[in-house]
Amino acid sequence: SQTIHQWPATLVQPVGSPLSLECTVEGTSNPNLYWYRQAAGRGLQLLFYSVGIGQISSEVPQNLSASRPQDRQFILSSKKLLLSDSGFYLCAWSAYPRDSEAFFGQGTRLTVV
Amino acid sequence: AQSVAQPEDQVNVAEGNPLTVKCTYSVSGNPYLFWYVQYPNRGLQFLLKYITGDNLVKGSYGFEAEFNKSQTSFHLKKPSALVSDSALYFCAVRDMGGQGGKLIFGQGTELSVKP
Repeated sequence: SQTIHQWPATLVQPVGSPLSLECTVEGTSNPNLYWYRQAAGRGLQLLFYSVGIGQISSEVPQNLSASRPQDRQFILSSKKLLLSDSGFYLCAWSAYPRDSEAFFGQGTRLTVV
Repeated sequence: AQSVAQPEDQVNVAEGNPLTVKCTYSVSGNPYLFWYVQYPNRGLQFLLKYITGDNLVKGSYGFEAEFNKSQTSFHLKKPSALVSDSALYFCAVRDMGGQGGKLIFGQGTELSVKP
């Protein structure tokens, strides 16, 4: 069966520090991968998605970047965190067919202080 | 552009009563629609989806959803609510344009089930 791992679960970082959040998927190949951010416990904003290794699409201009160095690995990064980067970050994957549901990791609570 | 709307920020239901969480959609073409549930500080869990076929879709934990093309709605329902159903519920639509097949989410509805 397929599983998705996301870590760390919580993170407190000072303003101006770098960020690296990692997500890995097991039990499938060539998944579509997504990074979402949830602010204030509500709406989900899509940040990045990837349809293959090295292929990253950005949805909104921001202080973050994403990379996919391996088929089932998706990394969210920042060189210098801002206070506004605080939030709940969720990684998700889906199979290629458009009727496939997406499966989410357990999320990372990032607090920038 | 594809979008979904959840008109209610919060729904309050007594345990044992039926519940409905509303969702309307706006898409070009046939929609692929999904419902998810989120418990505090957790990721989203998939409940059910509508792709094609029967308008009444059955999903996990006794939930079902009714697809109504004329009203462009996809409401989530459960015949008898449990206190443990209290959570944040999201409706989503698949973006059929471009690559990636990203899901576009509504703003979420907080469901509170009281004993």
